[in-house]
Order: sequence, then structure tokens, then C-alpha cells
Amino acid sequence: DGGITQSPKYLFRKEGQNVTLSCEQNLNHDAMYWYRQDPGQGLRLIYYSQIVNDFQKGDIAEGYSVSREKKESFPLTVTSAQKNPTAFYLCASSTPNRKQFFGPGTRLTVL
Amino acid sequence: RKEVEQDPGPFNVPEGATVAFNCTYSNSASQSFFWYRQDCRKEPKLLMSVYSSGNEDGRFTAQLNRASQYISLLIRDSKLSDSATYLCVVVLTGGGNKLTFGTGTQLKVEL
Repeated sequence: DGGITQSPKYLFRKEGQNVTLSCEQNLNHDAMYWYRQDPGQGLRLIYYSQIVNDFQKGDIAEGYSVSREKKESFPLTVTSAQKNPTAFYLCASSTPNRKQFFGPGTRLTVL
Repeated sequence: RKEVEQDPGPFNVPEGATVAFNCTYSNSASQSFFWYRQDCRKEPKLLMSVYSSGNEDGRFTAQLNRASQYISLLIRDSKLSDSATYLCVVVLTGGGNKLTFGTGTQLKVEL
């Protein structure tokens, strides 16, 4: 089946820890994106990558880092510098005509 | 002014009703428009693209008014399964084709 997978589904982090969220796609899409969603708010863009080995900051990149070593993979690290990391994290990939398809998301909770 | 604005609702309608949502956007250079559907605690899923000429997919009709900078979604013969949050999405061409999401309009279809 073609699609986007994210793991884990739920993640609990202690304050001061870095955690990495996985995102994999087998849709052969060049562009990939990370968003976070907070209750009552729209999706906000964290980072995006239009091609392997290249990525750009989105609107709320502080406290996050990414890598894009393979076309299929775009992991997101939430660092201890992110002051309010509890949120629903969504990864997406995009077709050339700008349609984005999302993975099932990871719910991160800071304990 | 927010880049994309939607009435949060909720819109409570009886089964079989026709319901319409509007969404306004602030950047006149916006080039692509979409409606996404998001079920509670799930990822957004692409519902349909929106074109200036208007487009229809079964019970769903989407329209774009560039002069007034708004898009609309019409749902006819509402089903219980249409209950969800509907997200308006606007894309500025270039710069990674970043999507800007509205906060969503919640629809509840009732017996």
C-alpha cells in the first residue's frame, strides 16, 4: 500500500529530553512537511523539504530540527529548547500540483 | 487579519439538510485552494480542490471567488458520516508551496 507512516502514535517525553518523530513515505514525492496542531488552532508549519539534502524553516521552527538524507524519510527532532512541545504532530508529502497527503500523526506529551 | 479565516461553528444540521461554509483569505496572490476534512483526533484528508469555475464531487460543491477572496463548500443531503471539521487551505505558489490552513469549521449532522 502506498502512503505515509508516522511513528510512534503516542510519545511521552520528560522535560529536558530530545525526542525524534519518524515519518516515512513510499509515494515517491519530493516534497515533505512537518506541522503541529494545537487544540482550537490551525496547522502550523515547522519545517519543509522540497528535495533530498535540503530543508527550510517554516513558521515555528525554533526548538525543532530535521534531516532529509533519503527521499522516503523526513524525521523531526523535538529538542529540549522547544518550550511547549505537547501537541499533535503531522507529517505530509506533496504532489507536484501541491496536493498534500498526511500521515496519521504522533501525539507528543511532555510529562 | 488572519491569512485564512473560517467560522469555527459548530454547525448543527439535521440529516438531509444542505449546509454551506465560507472561508476568506487575505493574500490576493494565493494560487491554489483546497478543502480538507479532519475527523476527531485524526489526520486531515484531502476532500477536494477548488477552481474558479467551481467543481462538484457527488454531494460536495466547491467554489472560488477571487474578486472577493473567498472560497465556499456546499454539502447537499448531509449524512451522519459528514460530521467532521472542514479545513480551508490556501497555497501561495513558490517558496515551497506552503499550505496555510484555516482553523476549521465543525459540522455536526444529527438524526
